[in-house]
Amino acid sequence: EVQLVESGGGLVQPGGSLRLSCAASGFTFSDHYMDWVRQAPGKGLEWVGRNRNKANSYTTEYVASVKGRFTISRDDSQNSVYLQMNSLKAEDTAVYYCTRSDSSGFLYYWGQGTLVTVSS
Amino acid sequence: DIQMTQSPSTLSASVGDRVTITCRASQSISSWLAWHQQKPGEAPKLLIYKASSLESGVPSRFSGSGSGTEFTLTISSLRPDDFATYFCQQYNDYPLTFGGGTKVEIK
Repeated sequence: EVQLVESGGGLVQPGGSLRLSCAASGFTFSDHYMDWVRQAPGKGLEWVGRNRNKANSYTTEYVASVKGRFTISRDDSQNSVYLQMNSLKAEDTAVYYCTRSDSSGFLYYWGQGTLVTVSS
Repeated sequence: DIQMTQSPSTLSASVGDRVTITCRASQSISSWLAWHQQKPGEAPKLLIYKASSLESGVPSRFSGSGSGTEFTLTISSLRPDDFATYFCQQYNDYPLTFGGGTKVEIK
């Protein structure tokens, strides 16, 4: 059974940093692209970014609103993907979901999410 | 960026009703469209990919159709477990984008 478990959310002040983790199990982690998606309270879904697999050189993609502030990385030996968030703004407040993507690009499995609140 | 527009934003229906949700893309995305279901307090769940391919384990009352810029999700006979919010998502190009969601409520 595929499981994705996020951790690391919490309250952070504007301008601060936070690192989210996602522990994966139930599949061959190194074969798959991993994405982060967020959902502001009461709002819709926003894709944050993608980390491709080793076969695709671990290259990344980001939505414009986080480019230069957020970094997605992974550790295949730990079956984990990370979202480093710097220079956080109030509008980054959201539940952050870790997802496993299909090779064609759609979001296949979702974790339960972790809440990030940016507030003073 | 490719804009995804869903309609309606809210839909009131009864158990047993046939329900259709529409998703329009601002440019052609071929068949690179997925549908996800989200219940309150839960993570989204994949229902359909490549516009019309049903994910394993998803009931056959769900179906998807369309290509290019216009897509539909149909629930042939609404069940109590289907009251939820549905999102379309394009994966033709980056950034991946979602529709605003359609909340299916009990009438």
